[in-house]
Amino acid sequence: GAGVSQSPSNKVTEKGKDVELRCDPISGHTALYWYRQSLGQGLEFLIYFQGNSAPDKSGLPSDRFSAERTGGSVSTLTIQRTQQEDSAVYLCASSLAPSGGATGELFFGEGSRLTVL
Amino acid sequence: SQKIEQNSEALNIQEGKTATLTCNYTNYSPAYLQWYRQDPGRGPVFLLLIRENEKEKRKERLKVTFDTTLKQSLFHITASQPADSATYLCALDRGGSYIPTFGRGTSLIVHP
Repeated sequence: GAGVSQSPSNKVTEKGKDVELRCDPISGHTALYWYRQSLGQGLEFLIYFQGNSAPDKSGLPSDRFSAERTGGSVSTLTIQRTQQEDSAVYLCASSLAPSGGATGELFFGEGSRLTVL
Repeated sequence: SQKIEQNSEALNIQEGKTATLTCNYTNYSPAYLQWYRQDPGRGPVFLLLIRENEKEKRKERLKVTFDTTLKQSLFHITASQPADSATYLCALDRGGSYIPTFGRGTSLIVHP
C-alpha cells in the first residue's frame, strides 16, 4: 500500500512482558516519528528519526522504551517490562525531509493499540 | 512551560453553519502551525500548514488564520456537513526541531 503501515493493530499483553510494534513508512520519506495517544489525550511525542542523523529520543518516557530504524526504512518500537500505564495507541508517522524551515505534512498510520493487563 | 490549548468541550453546530475552532499557545515562538483531522480509531490526517509570516490560508471550505501577536490560530470550516464531524488537532513545531507538538484536539459535531 501507499500509506504508513503499522502492526499489530491490536496487542494485549500481560504486565511485565516485552512488546514490539512495527512501522513501515512511506517509501522515500526520510523522517519517521513515534507518538502515543492515551484515551482522551493528545499525541505525546516519543522519538524522531531523520535520515542518518542520530534519533531524537527526548520524548521516551523511560529506559524501558527504545526504538530503532533499520536501513532508513522500517522502525520498531520496543517496550520492555510493560506496565499498565503503557496502555495507549502508538502512532507512527513519516514525512519528507524538512524544507523551508518546516516539517510539512505528517502521514500517520492507523496505530497499534496496546493493552497491558 | 510550553503549552498548547484547544477547547476540550465538543463544539456542536448545525449543518450549513461555519465551525470555528481555536488553538492558543504560550511560551512558544512557532515557525509554523498545522491542523489535522482525526476520526475515531484512526490516525490523524493532515489538513493545512500555515507559516508564521502568513496571516491566512485557505483550502476549499477550510480557512486557517495565524496571529503570532495573540498567539492564536483559528480554524474555520464553512458550510459544515455532518461528514465534517471529527476531532481537530493543532500542532506547532518545537522551535525548529521539526518535531510537531500536538494539542489535545477539539471534537466537532455537525448536526443534520
